[in-house]
Amino acid sequence: AQRVTQPEKLLSVFKGAPVELKCNYSYSGSPELFWYVQYSRQRLQLLLRHISRESIKGFTADLNKGETSFHLKKPFAQEEDSAMYYCALSERNRDDKIIFGKGTRLHILP
Amino acid sequence: DVKVTQSSRYLVKRTGEKVFLECVQDMDHENMFWYRQDPGLGLRLIYFSYDVKMKEKGDIPEGYSVSREKKERFSLILESASTNQTSMYLCASRGGEKLFFGSGTQLSVL
Repeated sequence: AQRVTQPEKLLSVFKGAPVELKCNYSYSGSPELFWYVQYSRQRLQLLLRHISRESIKGFTADLNKGETSFHLKKPFAQEEDSAMYYCALSERNRDDKIIFGKGTRLHILP
Repeated sequence: DVKVTQSSRYLVKRTGEKVFLECVQDMDHENMFWYRQDPGLGLRLIYFSYDVKMKEKGDIPEGYSVSREKKERFSLILESASTNQTSMYLCASRGGEKLFFGSGTQLSVL
């Protein structure tokens, strides 16, 4: 069965330090992977997706099919990065279903 | 910009009441979704729809039903609300590979 695992509920990082939010998935097909972010009092929004290979707000994520991982990274954390981050997987079939991990709260310490 | 509108931001209902949560999108998207968001559990898919009058069960459909009579509107129905359905409910529509979320409805069942 398809599954998205985010092992950390909470990650606290000092400002300026590197950030890595972990995401592992299990899926038998060829998945599309995403990171969504929810800042305080704002809507959930797309941060980035693996297919576009872009960097948004300094964040990058590489799909590693061998390790079935899609970790989110940023070299230097900023206070405004504090938010809830969700890894998500899209199933490529008729249903177009999208499932999410449990989320990781990132807290940037001053 | 895509707009996904959820009719109520906060809702308080009593156990056993029938509850309707409404969601409207303005971008002619075919796919729409209902999730519930709970601390520590992330986003869990309740139901989704890939066309008018079409619906598919998500991971936690028990106690819920949906209605999609028009393309722009996707309603979530709690036939007989229970206290364990107290949660934040998020509606989303899909444009390409991207989900656009509403601002959410915080439902409290007393």
